[in-house]
Amino acid sequence: AQSVSQHNHHVILSEAASLELGCNYSYGGTVNLFWYVQYPGQHLQLLLKYFSGDPLVKGIKGFEAEFIKSKFSFNLRKPSVQWSDTAEYFCAGISSNTGKLIFGQGTTLQVKP
Amino acid sequence: GAGVSQSPSNKVTEKGKDVELRCDPISGHTALYWYRQSLGQGLEFLIYFQGNSAPDKSGLPSDRFSAERTGGSVSTLTIQRTQQEDSAVYLCASSKVVSRNTGELFFGEGSRLTVL
Repeated sequence: AQSVSQHNHHVILSEAASLELGCNYSYGGTVNLFWYVQYPGQHLQLLLKYFSGDPLVKGIKGFEAEFIKSKFSFNLRKPSVQWSDTAEYFCAGISSNTGKLIFGQGTTLQVKP
Repeated sequence: GAGVSQSPSNKVTEKGKDVELRCDPISGHTALYWYRQSLGQGLEFLIYFQGNSAPDKSGLPSDRFSAERTGGSVSTLTIQRTQQEDSAVYLCASSKVVSRNTGELFFGEGSRLTVL
């Protein structure tokens, strides 16, 4: 069965620290992967996505993620976080076999000023 | 409209009552999803509509939950005989699908359901 799992449920960082949030997937077929962010009181919005091609994808606000097929991973990174990055982050994936987008459990990021 | 529209934004109901939640997707988007977001539970997939295909209902938690999509556009999620554990934010999303590749999902603001 397809699944997406996020390793970190709650991360606390100081401003300027580097960020890496783990995401692993289990899928059959071609997989499309996404990271979504939900800022406090706002709706979900797309950070970045991987469909094919260069496995290192860059998104908005300085975020990037690397698709490593051999590890079934799609970790989210940012070299230097800001207080405004405080939010909940969701990894998600779609298998071309089903077309169904499945989300991970989410990671709450708290950045201390 | 420019985005996915959901109504009502907030609904408070008594246990045992039925509720209907509405989603108006972005025009031209053939795929429509319903998710449930509960505190500490992340985003739970409920149901997926794609064009004229039979919907994927594999995420519906019980037979009290049902959804339909009329004319390939507006969708209604119905919860019958609501229970307190149904309290959550119900999110709708839509996307374009091209050659079996689903594009970015655009989410609505959600409908917050509180069952007393």
